[in-house]
Amino acid sequence: DGGITQSPKYLFRKEGQNVTLSCEQNLNHDAMYWYRQDPGQGLRLIYYSQIVNDFQKGDIAEGYSVSREKKESFPLTVTSAQKNPTAFYLCASSIEWRQYFSEDSPLHFGNGTRLTVT
Amino acid sequence: SQQGEEDPQALSIQEGENATMNCSYKTSINNLQWYRQNSGRGLVHLILIRSNEREKHSGRLRVTLDTSKKSSSLLITASRAADTASYFCATDDKTSYDKVIFGPGTSLSVIP
Repeated sequence: DGGITQSPKYLFRKEGQNVTLSCEQNLNHDAMYWYRQDPGQGLRLIYYSQIVNDFQKGDIAEGYSVSREKKESFPLTVTSAQKNPTAFYLCASSIEWRQYFSEDSPLHFGNGTRLTVT
Repeated sequence: SQQGEEDPQALSIQEGENATMNCSYKTSINNLQWYRQNSGRGLVHLILIRSNEREKHSGRLRVTLDTSKKSSSLLITASRAADTASYFCATDDKTSYDKVIFGPGTSLSVIP
């Protein structure tokens, strides 16, 4: 079955350490996204990638970095510069950029990684 | 910036009752979507309604859109315990295609 796989499901790190969250999709989607979810808040966009070898900052990119070397992979690194890294991180994809508001191409989400930094 | 806001923040009903959630937004939109999130999981797309549509149905779901009031509602009829989840509306900004705006969500509890 096609889908998005995020790993690990839970991640614990000490303050000051960088950590990389994995996101892999086998949907053959061009566009991929990283969102952060905090309790009681909507999803906030961290980074997005319209196509392989391209990515753009979202609303809250400070303290994060990404790469898009392969179409199916969009890893997110949470650096020590991120002030409040503890959160639930969601990866998503869509067939094409700006096509996520099509019934044929909504956003598809992974099951998230819960990161705790102490 | 545009923001979708769901209302109520939390809703608790008995199984078999109908559940209504509302979403308000600030700017003109092309489309509005509703997503569902089970606890600790990713979001799942439920339904999309276009700005020129007023009502749409999908199974037990009914979505309405009032662009004059910049609001939408999601009705789940004959609720089941399995409908327990958080529900989010998502809007796009008609003047900017760069991002989807998610509201903070409504947490629905359906008591068996």
